[in-house]
Amino acid sequence: KNQVEQSPQSLIILEGKNCTLQCNYTVSPFSNLRWYKQDTGRGPVSLTIMTFSENTKSNRRYTATLDADTKQSSLHITASQLSDSASYICVVSTLNTGTASKLTFGTGTRLQVTL
Amino acid sequence: EAGVAQSPRYKIIEKRQSVAFWCNPISGHATLYWYQQILGQGPKLLIQFQNNGVVDDSQLPKDRFSAERLKGVDSTLKIQPAKLEDSAVYLCASSLEAGTDTQYFGPGTRLTVL
Repeated sequence: KNQVEQSPQSLIILEGKNCTLQCNYTVSPFSNLRWYKQDTGRGPVSLTIMTFSENTKSNRRYTATLDADTKQSSLHITASQLSDSASYICVVSTLNTGTASKLTFGTGTRLQVTL
Repeated sequence: EAGVAQSPRYKIIEKRQSVAFWCNPISGHATLYWYQQILGQGPKLLIQFQNNGVVDDSQLPKDRFSAERLKGVDSTLKIQPAKLEDSAVYLCASSLEAGTDTQYFGPGTRLTVL
C-alpha cells in the first residue's frame, strides 16, 4: 500500500531559526515528490517538485532534498519568519502507464513560528 | 491569472440534509480534482475529471456523494444525505493535464455537519 509518513507531527520554533521537516514514503512506481504549504483556511500551495534524478531543489528560503534510494525527503526552512507558520504536506506521485498518476498525501507537519 | 474559485467558503448543515459545493478551475486546465480533508489529515482524493470525463472515483462514497463537471469547466460536488463524519474541508484543484503537472488548489469549503 502506498504511504507517505511525515515527522514531526508538529513543531514550534523561534523566528529566525532554521528547521527541517521529514518525509518517508513507500510509493511505487515513483514519479515525483512535492512539498506543499497550506496556510490555515487556505488550499495547499506547491513549494517544490522533484523527480527521481533530482537530489535538491530550492525555492527562496525553502530547500528540499530527495534520496530516492532510501525513499526519504526533507524540507529545510532557513531563517524562519512568522509567515512560515502553516502545515507542510509531502505528496508523492505515482506514474501509472496508461492512466492518470495518483497522488499520495502525507498528513502534514504543522509548523508554528513564534517571537 | 485567476486561481481556482470555490463556493461557499463555509457551510453548516444538519445530518441527513443535502449540500452542494461549486468549483471553477483555472481557465484552460483540463484536469479537475475534488479532495476531502479531515482536520489533522492530508487531503484524500474523491474524484478526478479529465475534461468532462471521470478518470478516478474509486474513493468516492457513491451512495451519498456525486459530482459532475459540466462542459468540462465548472464542477459541483453534492452530498445527499450528509453524515456527521462528512465534516471536513472540501478542496477543489486543477491542473493543465493529469500526470506530473502541478495541481493548483482552491481555498476550500469548510463543511460542518451537526
